[in-house]
Amino acid sequence: DQQVKQNSPSLSVQEGRISILNCDYTNSMFDYFLWYKKYPAEGPTFLISISSIKDKNEDGRFTVFLNKSAKHLSLHIVPSQPGDSAVYFCAGSSLLAGGTSYGKLTFGQGTILTVHP
Amino acid sequence: EAGVAQSPRYKIIEKRQSVAFWCNPISGHATLYWYQQILGQGPKLLIQFQNNGVVDDSQLPKDRFSAERLKGVDSTLKIQPAKLEDSAVYLCASSLEPGGTQYFGPGTRLLVL
Repeated sequence: DQQVKQNSPSLSVQEGRISILNCDYTNSMFDYFLWYKKYPAEGPTFLISISSIKDKNEDGRFTVFLNKSAKHLSLHIVPSQPGDSAVYFCAGSSLLAGGTSYGKLTFGQGTILTVHP
Repeated sequence: EAGVAQSPRYKIIEKRQSVAFWCNPISGHATLYWYQQILGQGPKLLIQFQNNGVVDDSQLPKDRFSAERLKGVDSTLKIQPAKLEDSAVYLCASSLEPGGTQYFGPGTRLLVL
């Protein structure tokens, strides 16, 4: 049962244009979502997150949108740069009992982004 | 600040052999995670430690996998005996506290022949 799905294995965009990476989830208990970026031979690095009480979170060139009714989130990168070429993973988590920390991350299978100069 | 360290970076073994991976988390991080990432899939949590205690090992194949974090700092993950389907990248991550931002090491790429 894949609770987090990234249905596009790869995405290719031109430098300066917008990159949109999509992610769908099935677990209704998820209320916190994260995006990680991974370069070859390196571990994933945290990029941006969003809580279910928001529908948008922005950090520089990166914006994450959350549509809870559709159980869908997307990561927008504007403008895209060649250095953004990497594998992008989305992950979901749920608030633990006690309400002060989040449980384990469930990752999607990743999308390979290639930004052409 | 030094990141999460892992060794070895690569390992090739034959099936039924044993193998061990080592992880040194970021200094002061109480929570440590081991993930398995099979080619084409996202990382899957195997085990989570809080200091030297296990918080979640529900997805750890306990008949062949074991992990420990004896002094609440370094951790080792062992596979004995290895199977072909264990070929994957094994990632270690740490966070300051449970639910905090996880910082990943570079991973150990295991190939079982």
